[in-house]
Amino acid sequence: GALVYQYPRRTICKSGTSMRMECQAVGFQATSVAWYRQSPQKTFELIALSTVNSAIKYEQNFTQEKFPISHPNLSFSSMTVLNAYLEDRGLYLCGARDRDGTLYFGAGTRLSVL
Amino acid sequence: AQSVTQPDARVTVSEGASLQLRCKYSYFGTPYLFWYVQYPRQGLQLLLKYYPGDPVVQGVNGFEAEFSKSNSSFHLRKASVHWSDWAVYFCAVSLTSGGNYKPTFGKGTSLVVHP
Repeated sequence: GALVYQYPRRTICKSGTSMRMECQAVGFQATSVAWYRQSPQKTFELIALSTVNSAIKYEQNFTQEKFPISHPNLSFSSMTVLNAYLEDRGLYLCGARDRDGTLYFGAGTRLSVL
Repeated sequence: AQSVTQPDARVTVSEGASLQLRCKYSYFGTPYLFWYVQYPRQGLQLLLKYYPGDPVVQGVNGFEAEFSKSNSSFHLRKASVHWSDWAVYFCAVSLTSGGNYKPTFGKGTSLVVHP
């Protein structure tokens, strides 16, 4: 079956530091990856859409300078949160899209900032 | 622009009762529609998906959903709820093709199951 692994599951970083999170698709080829942040109120914010061999499209309020994404092949993507502050806290979810258009999610990386 | 509305923030049912969680969508083009479930402290699990075709789709754990173009709805149903269904449910829509498929989520419906 199609699985998406995200790691780390949980991370704590000091204010102003950076942390990297990874997303691995297993059992299918992820034609594109969507990175989301889920707030404590459970709403989802789309950060960016990444398609292999295409430019990464960032949503309003999110920039490459703050959330650089790497998507080198059809099974792996990573995103870094640079200079993390309190407002960056939340659950970061990676959704990998298969060729049929279905989006499979990992368990998320929960970021806490001290 | 496409959007998804889940009008009920919270639904409470008794175990064994039937369930309907509502989802309304708006879009330009042909949509894919999805229902996901999120258990506490976990990610999103796919329950079912709709591609243009049969309007009633079957999912895991006895869930099904019905696509209605006239009502712009994609409601989730289950005939008999189990306590383990206690979770948050999200409806999502994306376009069927093109690079800008931009999956959009509703705000979720929290399902509470009473014994």
